[in-house]
Amino acid sequence: DQQVKQNSPSLSVQEGRISILNCDYTNSMFDYFLWYKKYPAEGPTFLISISSIKDKNEDGRFTVFLNKSAKHLSLHIVPSQPGDSAVYFCAAGGSARQLTFGSGTQLTVLP
Amino acid sequence: DGGITQSPKYLFRKEGQNVTLSCEQNLNHDAMYWYRQDPGQGLRLIYYSQIVNDFQKGDIAEGYSVSREKKESFPLTVTSAQKNPTAFYLCASSIDTLPGSEDNEQFFGPGTRLTVL
Repeated sequence: DQQVKQNSPSLSVQEGRISILNCDYTNSMFDYFLWYKKYPAEGPTFLISISSIKDKNEDGRFTVFLNKSAKHLSLHIVPSQPGDSAVYFCAAGGSARQLTFGSGTQLTVLP
Repeated sequence: DGGITQSPKYLFRKEGQNVTLSCEQNLNHDAMYWYRQDPGQGLRLIYYSQIVNDFQKGDIAEGYSVSREKKESFPLTVTSAQKNPTAFYLCASSIDTLPGSEDNEQFFGPGTRLTVL
């Protein structure tokens, strides 16, 4: 049973437009959430996180929104750039300090 | 430079052989983790360690073993008992902060691609 789901395996966006990546979770004990970016044959790199006491966190072009009642979070990238093309994983953690990862969304930003 | 190193980047193994993947970090992190990634799937946790000489099984520990004799090192052994060992293996570490902290991100190494022939 997947506790963290990314239902869109891929997303294509025009350069300069907004990219919205979505993630749903089922475990209400998760209390912090993270987004990672991954290029092929490399380890994921941390992008941005949010704890459950907040509903928004912003860092430059990246904003994460958390809707606890819907158990949904999203990552907004604006404006999108070709270098943003990568696989994006959302991850969730709780008191156990382990992270549970979604299956990833391949973002392609078209020039 | 601080970071996590994994070696080798590519590893080939004959069926029936054990193989050990190296993971070293100089970030002074208490916690370390091993994941595997398969095509089209997310990262699945194999083992993790929150402190030296202690480690816990993750979701898919069968066929794997680990040790944590030093804070900096967390080697993973893929044994012959692992049915589908061909995968991309990722090691990570994190500061062991309080749950819910936004500083709980895990830092990943570059990964080792293991292929069983």
